[in-house]
Amino acid sequence: QTVVTQEPSLTVSPGGTVTLTCASSTGAVTSGYYPNWFQQKPGQAPRALIYSTSNKHSWTPARFSGSLLGGKAALTLSGVQPEDEAEYYCLLYYGGAHWVFGGGTKLTVL
Amino acid sequence: EVQLVQSGAEVKKPGESLKISCKGSGYSFTSYWIGWVRQMPGKGLEWMGIIYPGDSDTRYSPSFQGQVTISADKSISTAYLQWSSLKASDTAMYYCVRRFKTVAGTTLDYWGQGTLVTVSS
Repeated sequence: QTVVTQEPSLTVSPGGTVTLTCASSTGAVTSGYYPNWFQQKPGQAPRALIYSTSNKHSWTPARFSGSLLGGKAALTLSGVQPEDEAEYYCLLYYGGAHWVFGGGTKLTVL
Repeated sequence: EVQLVQSGAEVKKPGESLKISCKGSGYSFTSYWIGWVRQMPGKGLEWMGIIYPGDSDTRYSPSFQGQVTISADKSISTAYLQWSSLKASDTAMYYCVRRFKTVAGTTLDYWGQGTLVTVSS
């Protein structure tokens, strides 16, 4: 069974920078996994932030960026705002209809 | 404006059947795949499967194959997720989501508001 692993929780100060990562049990994450990142706040549906490693949606704030880092997909928030406190999920594509979400990272802004 | 509007919350008993819906608007419904995502209480997101309303090509995550049925009625721009016999463990929020494919890659760009399914005796 394919497992996608994220940090369970991270804490960052307002105005700071934080990087969330996303690892695959099958090995290094590459662009061929089309890494996606989503933000979910309590009581809300998830919102798409990043697709195919580093592409932003029209609504994605400029402070969010995606990359590949050390064999993992990464989401970096620069100049963190209080409203960025949320759960963040990555999603990797394994072919066919086989997509797998990571377990999520709870980001606290403190 | 692209919208996915899901049917309302459901409370069911174990063993009952259920079909929830997701109506798309603001885009060509038959040209984009629609997926379903489960979120159990206090837990993360799980990919269930996907359908292409244009020809009803349907694919399931191995974890959900045989457990649910995904379908679509393109004449009314609506996708469905159904169970023939619910279990308490099916209690969760279910989201539909549009898959958007570009030259840059693929994403799940628009999400429904979610349908809460509660299964309890």
